[in-house]
Amino acid sequence: RKEVEQDPGPFNVPEGATVAFNCTYSNSASQSFFWYRQDCRKEPKLLMSVYSSGNEDGRFTAQLNRASQYISLLIRDSKLSDSATYLCVVTGGSSASKIIFGSGTRLSIRP
Amino acid sequence: DVKVTQSSRYLVKRTGEKVFLECVQDMDHENMFWYRQDPGLGLRLIYFSYDVKMKEKGDIPEGYSVSREKKERFSLILESASTNQTSMYLCASSPLDEKLFFGSGTQLSVL
Repeated sequence: RKEVEQDPGPFNVPEGATVAFNCTYSNSASQSFFWYRQDCRKEPKLLMSVYSSGNEDGRFTAQLNRASQYISLLIRDSKLSDSATYLCVVTGGSSASKIIFGSGTRLSIRP
Repeated sequence: DVKVTQSSRYLVKRTGEKVFLECVQDMDHENMFWYRQDPGLGLRLIYFSYDVKMKEKGDIPEGYSVSREKKERFSLILESASTNQTSMYLCASSPLDEKLFFGSGTQLSVL
């Protein structure tokens, strides 16, 4: 079983729709959680951290469920510019080598 | 803004050549990383460094070495390039809070 798993997609949704992705992790001792966005042929960029209480940044909401060991990303009122691959990242805390990336979920927004 | 600069965007080398990939960051970050990214396999950690002259193996160090003589510079070396090292190589740096800042990547083709 992979340490961090994501549905690879692609998710193909119309502009204005709400879309949600989940990411599951296997290590219950994981400490920090992040969502990154990666455009085609570009580097990943930090989208947002994920806090235990859940957090929001504009149209984006991230949540953490420690009991079920998953994090989620919700995008409301999706824009064409949201088309990208979204990477889930989980860290183990004690070592920099314990930064684990999911394989990414591809999102395509259609007009 | 954090800037992580990789020396080449595209590189073509021949099998058996020694290849140097350079990465420089301007934010005085302690941690620096080298990843490779391949379709369907996601980001895989090759090596990381948490201080000058310190290095640790990641998940796939075979065929690679690294050098960190100065805090701002982290080099990846392919001792004898092989075709299975054709990939996108991404350098990243991080302060101690585990958020990663990536360079724009080097697409290496080994013929």
